[in-house]
Amino acid sequence: KQEVTQIPAALSVPEGENLVLNCSFTDSAIYNLQWFRQDPGKGLTSLLLIQSSQREQTSGRLNASLDKSSGRSTLYIAASQPGDSATYLCAVLYRDDKIIFGKGTRLHILP
Amino acid sequence: NAGVTQTPKFRVLKTGQSMTLLCAQDMNHEYMYWYRQDPGMGLRLIHYSVGEGTTAKGEVPDGYNVSRLKKQNFLLGLESAAPSQTSVYFCASKRGNTEAFFGQGTRLTVV
Repeated sequence: KQEVTQIPAALSVPEGENLVLNCSFTDSAIYNLQWFRQDPGKGLTSLLLIQSSQREQTSGRLNASLDKSSGRSTLYIAASQPGDSATYLCAVLYRDDKIIFGKGTRLHILP
Repeated sequence: NAGVTQTPKFRVLKTGQSMTLLCAQDMNHEYMYWYRQDPGMGLRLIHYSVGEGTTAKGEVPDGYNVSRLKKQNFLLGLESAAPSQTSVYFCASKRGNTEAFFGQGTRLTVV
């Protein structure tokens, strides 16, 4: 069964800290992995897409890594800001064309 | 450029009523997806389509039907709504193995 797990479920850190969010997935037959951000009551905002052939993708203060063989991805956020507070979702595109989501990590940056 | 548009944005149904949610995309994408999001559950895949005239079951298909008669539209139907179908529904589309784009969601309440 295809499963995507995100750890931790919730995280509170002081402003300015660097932090890492984790995503693990079963079944390594994937095309890519996409990280999203969701603010309360809002839709999904795409942050980074990392193809199965890639190891890393960077956008500003965000860096996503992918280790397909071990079924893991991390989202690194540098110099966190209160505006980074949101739920972060990991989504895996499998080779059977299903996109499966983790349950998300609720991030709270303390001013 | 509208992207992915969901109609309606809000709806209240009585138990046993039927309704159809419309997802429309103007990006000529082959792939389209329907999800539901419940508190603490992340996004769960209901049905998806890999092209016009095709549909496939996702993780939680029971109680829903879909149709993809036109490439740009993906319809999600509830034949006999139940309170357990109260949720926020999201639609997504993509081309090939590129990033998925999401609509803003439909908040459905079944009383």
